Amino acid sequence: NAGVMQNPRHLVRRRGQEARLRCSPMKGHSHVYWYRQLPEEGLKFMVYLQKENIIDESGMPKERFSAEFPKEGPSILRIQQVVRGDSAAYFCASSTNRGRIYEQYFGPGTRLTVT
Amino acid sequence: TQLLEQSPQFLSIQEGENLTVYCNSSSVFSSLQWYRQEPGEGPVLLVTVVTGGEVKKLKRLTFQFGDARKDSSLHITAAQPGDTGLYLCAGGNYGGSQGNLIFGKGTKLSVKP
Repeated sequence: NAGVMQNPRHLVRRRGQEARLRCSPMKGHSHVYWYRQLPEEGLKFMVYLQKENIIDESGMPKERFSAEFPKEGPSILRIQQVVRGDSAAYFCASSTNRGRIYEQYFGPGTRLTVT
Repeated sequence: TQLLEQSPQFLSIQEGENLTVYCNSSSVFSSLQWYRQEPGEGPVLLVTVVTGGEVKKLKRLTFQFGDARKDSSLHITAAQPGDTGLYLCAGGNYGGSQGNLIFGKGTKLSVKP
């Protein structure tokens, strides 16, 4: 399966704990994007990364949230000291640069529940 | 802030009927993508349109990008229960550090047998 992989699919954390979400892009893709989907709301962009670089983090909360895409290994979205409002589905997408169009392919998501 | 408005928000039809879903914005986009999302899953890319006035067909689905690249429509002919799902449009602007997609809230389609 050459699709975008995310793990875990479901994650339960108590308030104050840390959440780590992993994303492996499609083979050959060098761009990774993270989105958050809240109930009854659309997908909201959080951060755009290329290998070892954060390109655009304009959608990511300034505190408690961080993302990385190391030279080796998956991209990680890290949420420190989680609060109930962080409960959502987090999706990762990946793309390759084909001309000026970045077609994004999504993973199955990680459902984070904060208790 | 760029926004995409989708209509209708909900649509419930009988098998065999035709339907159109709309995606509108006051902003110009470089490209417009349509996705379908099933409960508990990630969005699946259906099509990308990039040229104003472009029409693409995918079996019973027809996608159109407006001449001014501000709006798009998805038309389904002879809908089937397997078409049930959440249809999302997403606009992209690329260049410099931009690469994110702006999503509409979606149209939830239910096709009854």
